[in-house]
Amino acid sequence: DQQVKQNSPSLSVQEGRISILNCDYTNSMFDYFLWYKKYPAEGPTFLISISSIKDKNEDGRFTVFLNKSAKHLSLHIVPSQPGDSAVYFCAVNYGGATNKLIFGTGTLLAVQP
Amino acid sequence: DAGVTQSPTHLIKTRGQQVTLRCSPKSGHDTVSWYQQALGQGPQFIFQYYEEEERQRGNFPDRFSGHQFPNYSSELNVNALLLGDSALYLCASSLAGRGGETQYFGPGTRLLVL
Repeated sequence: DQQVKQNSPSLSVQEGRISILNCDYTNSMFDYFLWYKKYPAEGPTFLISISSIKDKNEDGRFTVFLNKSAKHLSLHIVPSQPGDSAVYFCAVNYGGATNKLIFGTGTLLAVQP
Repeated sequence: DAGVTQSPTHLIKTRGQQVTLRCSPKSGHDTVSWYQQALGQGPQFIFQYYEEEERQRGNFPDRFSGHQFPNYSSELNVNALLLGDSALYLCASSLAGRGGETQYFGPGTRLLVL
């Protein structure tokens, strides 16, 4: 039973345009939401996060939106660059004393020059 | 400032053998979590160590065990290896707290079981 779903296995975008990656979750008790980027042969690299008390967080070209009523999370990358081509994972946790992360299956983003 | 380091980078074992993977956390971090990433999947939580104790465990059998040392580094041990244990094993470190703190990942150890 997947608690975190990334329904698009892949996404192709032109350089300079917006990339929108989506993530759905099932449990309203999740407290903290993160996006990681992963290149082949490397570990996941933290990109941006948002807590459940906010609905938007921005860091440079990256913005994460949280819609708690829809249990939906999205990552916007504007403008997209070829170096953004990677697998993007969303992850959630319950907060509290332990912060076990639950990951989605990832979306492969390809930014075409 | 050194990030999370893991060793070895690659490992080949045969069924039934035992393996030990190592992790050094990011400077200043005291909590280490281990994840298994199978091909085409997201990382799956194995367990987390804090103050040298296993604090939480995912849905993995007892063949998977770990240890945390006083310097916060950690080991993951897998006994009686199965073909299905072939995966990328990721270590992540964080600073204990309320729980929202970000986990930072190492490059992983790729294990192949033949």
